[in-house]
Amino acid sequence: GDSVTQMEGPVTLSEEAFLTINCTYTATGYPSLFWYVQYPGEGLQLLLKATKADDKGSNKGFEATYRKETTSFHLEKGSVQVSDSAVYFCALSRGDSNYQLIWGAGTKLIIKP
Amino acid sequence: SAVISQKPSRDICQRGTSLTIQCQVDSQVTMMFWYRQQPGQSLTLIATANQGSEATYESGFVIDKFPISRPNLTFSTLTVSNMSPEDSSIYLCSVETRPGTQYFGPGTRLLVL
Repeated sequence: GDSVTQMEGPVTLSEEAFLTINCTYTATGYPSLFWYVQYPGEGLQLLLKATKADDKGSNKGFEATYRKETTSFHLEKGSVQVSDSAVYFCALSRGDSNYQLIWGAGTKLIIKP
Repeated sequence: SAVISQKPSRDICQRGTSLTIQCQVDSQVTMMFWYRQQPGQSLTLIATANQGSEATYESGFVIDKFPISRPNLTFSTLTVSNMSPEDSSIYLCSVETRPGTQYFGPGTRLLVL
């Protein structure tokens, strides 16, 4: 069945470091891909998405490119801030009549000043 | 987008009792979802609640334990019945405004003693 695999956390970086959080997926057809973020004590927020191959989603300095050849959707940011500390979830939607999201396990990101 | 509120934001309950969680959306939406998020874990879908039809439960979740109401397009409730300490979790509702794009409420943090 469809699945999403994320790199295990926690990921600890210093402020202004470059961030990559890996996400790979297994799915039939042409899923849409998402990154959600959960700040401490809050619900999840949609961070960015991509709906077809080679699309790049971007928001708040974060980017992720839908790579069908490598079935990946890695999250990147050039210079992280302490305020980026959160849990990041990669997810996919098959986009057919079943709109359920398939979730990765989440990656906790800790940014130290 | 959609703005979602949940009540209560947190509660401490005794085992054997029931708690009803409310989810209110600021716009009419067809699809609403209820999730459970155990500490440090990813999201587990409990059920999909569409207005005018019975909720659809995922494997491992049953209506007797988690009855859901969906009386209109802006409101839903989830009841956690006959609670045990294993039900301690964060319960999240979400809505889908376009395929795969979900907006989440802030969550209800439940502790069962």
